[in-house]
Amino acid sequence: QKEVEQDPGPLSVPEGAIVSLNCTYSNSAFQYFMWYRQYSRKGPELLMYTYSSGNKEDGRFTAQVDKSSKYISLFIRDSQPSDSATYLCAPSWSWGKLQFGAGTQVVVTP
Amino acid sequence: DTGVSQDPRHKITKRGQNVTFRCDPISEHNRLYWYRQTLGQGPEFLTYFQNEAQLEKSRLLSDRFSAERPKGSFSTLEIQRTEQGDSAMYLCASGRQGAIGRREQFFGPGTRLTVL
Repeated sequence: QKEVEQDPGPLSVPEGAIVSLNCTYSNSAFQYFMWYRQYSRKGPELLMYTYSSGNKEDGRFTAQVDKSSKYISLFIRDSQPSDSATYLCAPSWSWGKLQFGAGTQVVVTP
Repeated sequence: DTGVSQDPRHKITKRGQNVTFRCDPISEHNRLYWYRQTLGQGPEFLTYFQNEAQLEKSRLLSDRFSAERPKGSFSTLEIQRTEQGDSAMYLCASGRQGAIGRREQFFGPGTRLTVL
């Protein structure tokens, strides 16, 4: 079993819809949780950073962390075609490595 | 803040050759990380530095791989005797220790390696 699991998708939504992305993990030591967006053949771009459990909102993006169930979510409101990308969740326990999921591909259709 | 830069962006080499990649982190960042990403997978951790000290290496980093950060600024990743299985995107990231509660890592554009 992988330490971080994501549904690979693709997840196809119409423009303007809410995109809901999920990630589960097994290591209870994880305390820092990041979401990255990656366009094809580009480096990952940091979207959201959350420490411990709770919600965080930044513009159209909301990240949720539930450490009791080891479950991480990212919501994208009013989705745009430019949101079409692969979304990677990446928890960490300290200053060391990020443990990435395989990513979920999102396609937003006009 | 010019972001993390990597050079070259693309490298094609023949099996058995040595290759070296360079990463320039964000200037005030003292932590530097190397990851490898293959198609359809998330990045996999290879190694990281705090200043010039290499603090952790993954089991993925075989003895053909070596990384350095001699003056605590830029870093190089060398692969000796390349194999076709080394074909991947090599990503560098940097972060700043000392910022209370902050653990983000910022990635460069990557170096895409193709071994023929």
